[in-house]
Amino acid sequence: DGGITQSPKYLFRKEGQNVTLSCEQNLNHDAMYWYRQDPGQGLRLIYYSQIVNDFQKGDIAEGYSVSREKKESFPLTVTSAQKNPTAFYLCASKLENYGYTFGSGTRLTVV
Amino acid sequence: GQSLEQPSEVTAVEGAIVQINCTYQTSGFYGLSWYQQHDGGAPTFLSYNALDGLEETGRFSSFLSRSDSYGYLLLQELQMKDSASYFCAVSPGYSTLTFGKGTMLLVSP
Repeated sequence: DGGITQSPKYLFRKEGQNVTLSCEQNLNHDAMYWYRQDPGQGLRLIYYSQIVNDFQKGDIAEGYSVSREKKESFPLTVTSAQKNPTAFYLCASKLENYGYTFGSGTRLTVV
Repeated sequence: GQSLEQPSEVTAVEGAIVQINCTYQTSGFYGLSWYQQHDGGAPTFLSYNALDGLEETGRFSSFLSRSDSYGYLLLQELQMKDSASYFCAVSPGYSTLTFGKGTMLLVSP
């Protein structure tokens, strides 16, 4: 079945540590996105990519970095510069001007 | 920038009809979308309106008035499984989607 796979499901980060969240899709979608969701809040856009080797900052890109070396993959690194990283991270992809398909998310907690 | 307003919580009983409103402000507009998210889960796409009027998909309908910067999601014949958060989202351009803060729908027996 086609879809988006995010891993890990749960991730714990120590202060000052960089961590990378994985996002893989087999939908052959060109555009991919990373959103952050805090409790009781909507989704806020971190980064997005419309084609391989190109990506743009979203509304809250500070403290995050991404790469898009393959069409299928769009990993997100949460760096030590992100002061409040505890959140639910959602990866999505889109085909043409229609609905987004989301992965099941990674819940990141700072310990 | 973009901003969206929707009620934080709506309650209803099984079998009833409920309407979730969404007003938006955006510098550009390609369309209004609706997503459902069960607690701890991934959002799932429900509907998309690019033009004024009503779009119907089974028990769910979505309406858009571009002149009023307003839309709503209508859920009919409510079921317990419809208890979830519902997000409206606006496409200010072709590439991105900006979400509202969500409306939690509680369906009681």
